[in-house]
Amino acid sequence: GAVVSQHPSWVICKSGTSVKIECRSLDFQATTMFWYRQFPKQSLMLMATSNEGSKATYEQGVEKDKFLINHASLTLSTLTVTSAHPEDSSFYICSARVAEGNEQFFGPGTRLTVL
Amino acid sequence: QQQVKQSPQSLIVQKGGISIINCAYENTAFDYFPWYQQFPGKGPALLIAIRPDVSEKKEGRFTISFNKSAKQFSLHIMDSQPGDSATYFCAAVTLNFGNEKLTFGTGTRLTIIP
Repeated sequence: GAVVSQHPSWVICKSGTSVKIECRSLDFQATTMFWYRQFPKQSLMLMATSNEGSKATYEQGVEKDKFLINHASLTLSTLTVTSAHPEDSSFYICSARVAEGNEQFFGPGTRLTVL
Repeated sequence: QQQVKQSPQSLIVQKGGISIINCAYENTAFDYFPWYQQFPGKGPALLIAIRPDVSEKKEGRFTISFNKSAKQFSLHIMDSQPGDSATYFCAAVTLNFGNEKLTFGTGTRLTIIP
């Protein structure tokens, strides 16, 4: 199957700082990328959907000014957690797909710990 | 909010046995139902998926049974192996003119013991 990578795989930061997470589709062009958050032993919750070249669509309850998503190319999307706080500590997972109805391929996730 | 309920939360099965995980959904607007396998520290990987107009789908040792009238579907893992130990998520997908949404169940931690 298609490969999606994330960088970094884990990051520790101080409260109040911003953290950028990259999601790349390595062997295909992704028209749409998705960002999920997963707390320990819980399910994945969709945060936002981003289509290349347009603004992301955020799920209800997700602060768009805090979680900045950029999908500047067909192979790269970034999630920036601005002014991170300990409650933002979580496992962030991206996925990518070629077109609607096609399989979403998930990245390996990024574990964020905010001290 | 659309929900997908999954049970059990955890499951221990002996090697060679059948692992069964169940899911139920509330809304009839879903377009298909995938199952994902996730190992610790990794993203989920698609195992098998089924459309609502099909009652059963089998791929190797993995089978999805789908009951549309009851709004339930289940994953059966035959001849379970230690390598199958992972967390399994059912999901339901809506396709809506480019707005695809994947709603995950709460997950089942499966442990296969020798």
